[in-house]
Amino acid sequence: GDQVEQSPSALSLHEGTGSALRCNFTTTMRAVQWFRKNSRGSLINLFYLASGTKENGRLKSAFDSKERYSTLHIRDAQLEDSGTYFCAAEAGGYKVVFGSGTRLLVSP
Amino acid sequence: NSKVIQTPRYLVKGQGQKAKMRCIPEKGHPVVFWYQQNKNNEFKFLINFQNQEVLQQIDMTEKRFSAECPSNSPCSLEIQSSEAGDSALYLCASSPTGGAVTEVFFGKGTRLTVV
Repeated sequence: GDQVEQSPSALSLHEGTGSALRCNFTTTMRAVQWFRKNSRGSLINLFYLASGTKENGRLKSAFDSKERYSTLHIRDAQLEDSGTYFCAAEAGGYKVVFGSGTRLLVSP
Repeated sequence: NSKVIQTPRYLVKGQGQKAKMRCIPEKGHPVVFWYQQNKNNEFKFLINFQNQEVLQQIDMTEKRFSAECPSNSPCSLEIQSSEAGDSALYLCASSPTGGAVTEVFFGKGTRLTVV
């Protein structure tokens, strides 16, 4: 079936540094979303992409449907960026599949 | 960010009891999803609706759950006879476009504990 492999499962960053999260898809997906689950348990929408790249502040996301992957880049990480990040891919036919999450901890 | 409202936030039930949770999707969003998220952060799709009509559901939902999205009332998901393995976070999400899924917006979830 449709699968999403998200990596890394956990990530530790010092304030001011950056890194990238990645989701690989086993099939062609129509679109991808990225979420952050904050300390209060809310899933915050970060990006929705059907193709190309989007940038919002210190976050940038890319989606390549043909190559079957999406990335989320975080630069100049801040303490409030800590949380669990999820990608979710739209497989078509109302089907949305989720990655297993990346637990990010940003420390001083 | 999201205007999907889920109630209650926390629910504790004994095994065999019914457990009912509600969801008000964002205004104007015709598509509603229910997911179960376990302790390992894994999302399990349960059921989705377009307006009042069920689009897809998994076998477990069909057998043990009762779900509906009546017009002018909250959507609901009810476990007919709770089991310990049903303890999880139940997330409702809505999407603004009928006919296809676009961006999905989640509520804060109902955390069910079955004791």
